[in-house]
Amino acid sequence: AQTVTQSQPEMSVQEAETVTLSCTYDTSESNYYLFWYKQPPSRQMILVIRQEAYKQQNATENRFSVNFQKAAKSFSLKISDSQLGDTAMYFCAFMRGTSYDKVIFGPGTSLSVIP
Amino acid sequence: EAQVTQNPRYLITVTGKKLTVTCSQNMNHEYMSWYRQDPGLGLRQIYYSMNVEVTDKGDVPEGYKVSRKEKRNFPLILESPSPNQTSLYFCASSSFDGTDTQYFGPGTRLTVL
Repeated sequence: AQTVTQSQPEMSVQEAETVTLSCTYDTSESNYYLFWYKQPPSRQMILVIRQEAYKQQNATENRFSVNFQKAAKSFSLKISDSQLGDTAMYFCAFMRGTSYDKVIFGPGTSLSVIP
Repeated sequence: EAQVTQNPRYLITVTGKKLTVTCSQNMNHEYMSWYRQDPGLGLRQIYYSMNVEVTDKGDVPEGYKVSRKEKRNFPLILESPSPNQTSLYFCASSSFDGTDTQYFGPGTRLTVL
């Protein structure tokens, strides 16, 4: 069975600094998707970034980028130039296969951006 | 506006009283899913549906039922709620057009006394 681990329950970062959130997963699949979701205090779930396992290149979306290490089964999220609006819970998620299937979420990391 | 709606947003009920949480999407998405969110556990998938009349169990299906009679609707049914089903529930939908973005509803806070 697939599992997703986020070893940092809470983190903080100074505004304008860079922070990295960790995620590791366990799977025997070779083809899968990985996601980072953001949940601000409003509770709305927002997709931050996604990565296809077959792609070597790390995904980037503006200030958000990932470091995808397939062999190590690691998928960390880097937030550059942190902003107050980045304060949220961040969830790492795994989805098996090439089409939608069961989705596994990690327990989340609570990020606080300090002015 | 593309959106996923859930009703009710908040619900307090008592043990054993059947309830339904509705979920509707206006994006013609094939895939819909229900999650529950509990502190320290993240989101856990309850049921998902690939299309009309096609549903499958997620990781925590016990005590829940779903149906997918129409593409836009995916209600979550608790036939006999228990206090351990007190949680925050999310419905989500996505298409198979390759973008793979799941759109989430606003959440339903359920308390079972």
